[in-house]
Parts: sequence; C-alpha cells; structure tokens
Amino acid sequence: AQKVTQAQTEISVVEKEDVTLDCVYETRDTTYYLFWYKQPPSGELVFLIRRNSFDEQNEISGRYSWNFQKSTSSFNFTITASQVVDSAVYFCALSEAKYSGGGADGLTFGKGTHLIIQP
Amino acid sequence: DAEITQSPRHKITETGRQVTLACHQTWNHNNMFWYRQDLGHGLRLIHYSYGVQDTNKGEVSDGYSVSRSNTEDLPLTLESAASSQTSVYFCASSESLYRAQYFGPGTRLLVL
Repeated sequence: AQKVTQAQTEISVVEKEDVTLDCVYETRDTTYYLFWYKQPPSGELVFLIRRNSFDEQNEISGRYSWNFQKSTSSFNFTITASQVVDSAVYFCALSEAKYSGGGADGLTFGKGTHLIIQP
Repeated sequence: DAEITQSPRHKITETGRQVTLACHQTWNHNNMFWYRQDLGHGLRLIHYSYGVQDTNKGEVSDGYSVSRSNTEDLPLTLESAASSQTSVYFCASSESLYRAQYFGPGTRLLVL
C-alpha cells in the first residue's frame, strides 16, 4: 500500500532563514505522482506542485524549490528566505497510476508539517 | 471563473441524524473526491467518482455514501451521524490523473 511520511510535525524558524520540509513516500508502482499542498491558517488547500515519477529534475519557483530523489523515495520542499506569509501546514501527497478509463485516483496524504515563521 | 464550492460551510447536527454535504464544481471535471481532515491524520479519502453514475470507496468510507447524477455535483451523505464523524470535510476535483486536484473551501461538521 502507498504511504507518505512527513516526519517533521512542526518547524519553527526566524524570518529570512531557509527551511526544508521532508517527504518520504512508499509505493510499489513505477508510475506515480507526487504533490505538495499548502494550508494557510484560513484553512483552504492550495496546490503548489506536481511531479511524475519519470521526471527527477528539481524545480524552482521563486523562493520555493523541490528536490525529487527516487533513490531515497523523497520529495523535499525548500523555502529560501522564508517570510511570515509562508506560515502554514504543508502536505505532501502521492497518487499511484492505477485507474481505468483515464480516471484519477485519490491522493494519499502525509500528516503535514506545521511551519511557523517568526518575525 | 471556474470554481469548486461546498455547502454548508459549518454544520452542527445530532448523533443519528442524516446529513448531506454538497459539493459543486464548474470546471467540468470528471473526477471528484471527498476527504476528511482530522488532527494527527492529515487528509483521508472517503469516496471518489470518475464520472456520472460512478462511485468508489476510499480509505475511510464506512458510514458515508455518495451519488453522482451529473458532472458538477458529488454530495456526501452521512447516513446516521456519529461523534467520530466530527471533522472538516473537503471536496476536490481533477481533470485527470496527470493534473492536480483542486479543493473546495471545506465544511466543518460537529456531531453532538
């Protein structure tokens, strides 16, 4: 069965520090998709990134970057020069490619990392 | 703009009552999902649907049901609400496996 582990329950850093959120996944499939979502204090879930299992290129989007390593089954998320607005719960999620007719499976989520950025 | 909405946003009910949570999306996505979020558990999949008349059970489907009569809506019904079903419920939709799931704003349900 698929599983996502976010071992860091809570991280607190001072503004402008860099911070990395860890995500380790387990799957028996060779084709799968990884996601990161942000949940700010207001409660909505905001999609950040999607990565498929065949694309191990790291990605950078502004202050955000993602490091995907199949060898260690990890998909870590780094925020550079953190800001107070980055304070949120961040979820890593996995979707395996088992479906019929082009449908999409549900996501398996990690338990989330609560990131606190102190001013 | 296309969106996904949930109603009600907050609901208080009593044990044993039937409750239905609505989810409506205007993206014309075939795939729709229901999750519940509980402290210490993250989000867990309740039910999902690949299209009209299709429904599938997720990880925590006991006590819940869904029906899909059109593309836009996937209502979630708690047949006989229990205190263990107090949670925040999120609906999501997706164009395909290759795309992200987009979530509604959530419904906070309290079962007394």
